[in-house]
Amino acid sequence: AQSVTQPDIHITVSEGASLELRCNYSYGATPYLFWYVQSPGQGLQLLLKYFSGDTLVQGIKGFEAEFKRSQSSFNLRKPSVHWSDAAEYFCAVAFTGGGNKLTFGTGTQLKVEL
Amino acid sequence: ETGVTQTPRHLVMGMTNKKSLKCEQHLGHNAMYWYKQSAKKPLELMFVYNFKEQTENNSVPSRFSPECPNSSHLFLHLHTLQPEDSALYLCASSQEGGPGNTIYFGEGSWLTVV
Repeated sequence: AQSVTQPDIHITVSEGASLELRCNYSYGATPYLFWYVQSPGQGLQLLLKYFSGDTLVQGIKGFEAEFKRSQSSFNLRKPSVHWSDAAEYFCAVAFTGGGNKLTFGTGTQLKVEL
Repeated sequence: ETGVTQTPRHLVMGMTNKKSLKCEQHLGHNAMYWYKQSAKKPLELMFVYNFKEQTENNSVPSRFSPECPNSSHLFLHLHTLQPEDSALYLCASSQEGGPGNTIYFGEGSWLTVV
């Protein structure tokens, strides 16, 4: 069965610093990969997704992610973090034949220091 | 108005009560989902409905009973719950079909079982 690992439970960065959130997946074929963000008291909002093609994908709010097949990774990055980026970030995977079912990681809580 | 609306946002119920969570989507989608989000655990898919038909029941206890009267509305009927059922319940919707379709989430219903 497919699985998603987000090794960092909590990350703290200073405002203006760069950010990288790690995500590794376990699945035999090419997965469909997603990053969602959840602000306190809110639902999940899609930041970006990858299916095929260019392995560097751009999302909303200045985020990007890079798919690396050799490392089974889909890390999320942002060059300069804003205080409003403080939230929980979830990586998720879906696969052909699985319909629209998403398997989520446990999430990374991002704190931004001013 | 958000695309996926959930009511109530907060619910406290006793273990012998019967209550329901309601979800409505205004996106013209034909697939709807219930997810459970507990602290320190990945989001768990509970139920999937495609074109009003239940296509997935992820081994959910029978004290949770979903209902999908049409493609826009989804309910989760709750009865004789346990304290460990306290969690955030997220409703979501998407177009039915391949794994690449974006899943849109509501803001969730916080459930506390006392």
